[in-house]
Amino acid sequence: AQSVSQHNHHVILSEAASLELGCNYSYGGTVNLFWYVQYPGQHLQLLLKYFSGDPLVKGIKGFEAEFIKSKFSFNLRKPSVQWSDTAEYFCAVNGVNTGFQKLVFGTGTRLLVSP
Amino acid sequence: NAGVTQTPKFRILKIGQSMTLQCTQDMNHNYMYWYRQDPGMGLKLIYYSVGAGITDKGEVPNGYNVSRSTTEDFPLRLELAAPSQTSVYFCASSLGRQPSYNEQFFGPGTRLTVL
Repeated sequence: AQSVSQHNHHVILSEAASLELGCNYSYGGTVNLFWYVQYPGQHLQLLLKYFSGDPLVKGIKGFEAEFIKSKFSFNLRKPSVQWSDTAEYFCAVNGVNTGFQKLVFGTGTRLLVSP
Repeated sequence: NAGVTQTPKFRILKIGQSMTLQCTQDMNHNYMYWYRQDPGMGLKLIYYSVGAGITDKGEVPNGYNVSRSTTEDFPLRLELAAPSQTSVYFCASSLGRQPSYNEQFFGPGTRLTVL
């Protein structure tokens, strides 16, 4: 069965600091990978996605993520965070060859950016 | 496009009451999903549907029922509300075919409290 691990449950940063949130998954086949963001009181929105091709993907608001197949990882990065990046971030994966394409979510990382 | 809409936004139920959470999407997506989100637990899949007339159980289906009579609508029914069903419920949809078949779009959520 697929699973997703987000190792950092809470992260606190000052504005302008760099961000890296870890995401590891367990699935041996081809995967699609996603990062979603949930701002306080809002629904989940897609930050970025990886289907195939260049393993370094760029998303909205200056976020990027790198797919490292050998490490089963899809870490999220941002060079300089802003106060408005305060939110909860979810990594999600689905195995392409598992029949129904169920998306499995990590437990989330809550990011607090102090001004 | 309105995307995915959910009603109501908030609801308080007494134990044993029943209710239906409504979900509608106007993107002509084949797949629809219901999740519940509990603090620190990420999103858990309750039920999903791959098309009108086709539904199946997710990770945590007990206490819930669904139907999918049209492509647009995917209501979630709670028959006998229990305190354990206090949660935030998100409906989502995805295209269901390549290339972005499992990029899910989320509704704004329904916050349900059972007392």
